[in-house]
Amino acid sequence: DIQMTQSPTSLSAFVGARVTITCRASQSISQFLNWYQQRPGEAPKLLIYGTSNLQSGVPSRFRASGSGTDFTLTISTVQSEDFATYYCQQSYTTPAAFGQGTKLEI
Amino acid sequence: QVQLEQSGGELKKPGASVKVSCKTSGFTFTTYGISWVRQAPGQGPVWMGWISAFHSKTKTSPSFQGRLSMTTDIPATTAYMELTGLTADDTAIYFCARDLAADTGGGPFDYWGQGTPVTVSS
Repeated sequence: DIQMTQSPTSLSAFVGARVTITCRASQSISQFLNWYQQRPGEAPKLLIYGTSNLQSGVPSRFRASGSGTDFTLTISTVQSEDFATYYCQQSYTTPAAFGQGTKLEI
Repeated sequence: QVQLEQSGGELKKPGASVKVSCKTSGFTFTTYGISWVRQAPGQGPVWMGWISAFHSKTKTSPSFQGRLSMTTDIPATTAYMELTGLTADDTAIYFCARDLAADTGGGPFDYWGQGTPVTVSS
């Protein structure tokens, strides 16, 4: 099974800062990498699919890139509503797998 | 609009089974698959399995093989997940999600149900 590892596990930032989260797959997953945002008490929300495609309605300050085993999610200018936990997920093969999450805190 | 409405929370004893429903609306049910994802307290999401409404084809994570059953009721546009042999480790929130990988499953997951808390305790 493919394992997904995110870093860092937590991240502190101010509003207006630029933050980057990384995700590494245990083997190549081409560009089958998705990013989700989860706020407390809510279901995960799809932000980015296929490595770099912005899901409809997601602000353009969210950008992502990568291929193979290494991927990044960048928030160019963090807003207050962005403080949440972020998960990467590989959809290259089943069983699908999520990273352990990165908690973005003020 | 696309909606996935799940059944309510459950309290189960060890060894019991739980069945969760996921009523969908706002899209053609047979065009997509439904994946089931669970999340234990303070942990990341874990993919459990996928069912294609059109083919009734399923894929199950090895972690749940033999314990997980997924079905659909096409006229009711509803998906069901049943997990047997419950232990305390199965205490989690269970989500259904619309799976964009219509033929293979595994995501991405663009719409999610609100989650069904399942507590396993004696």
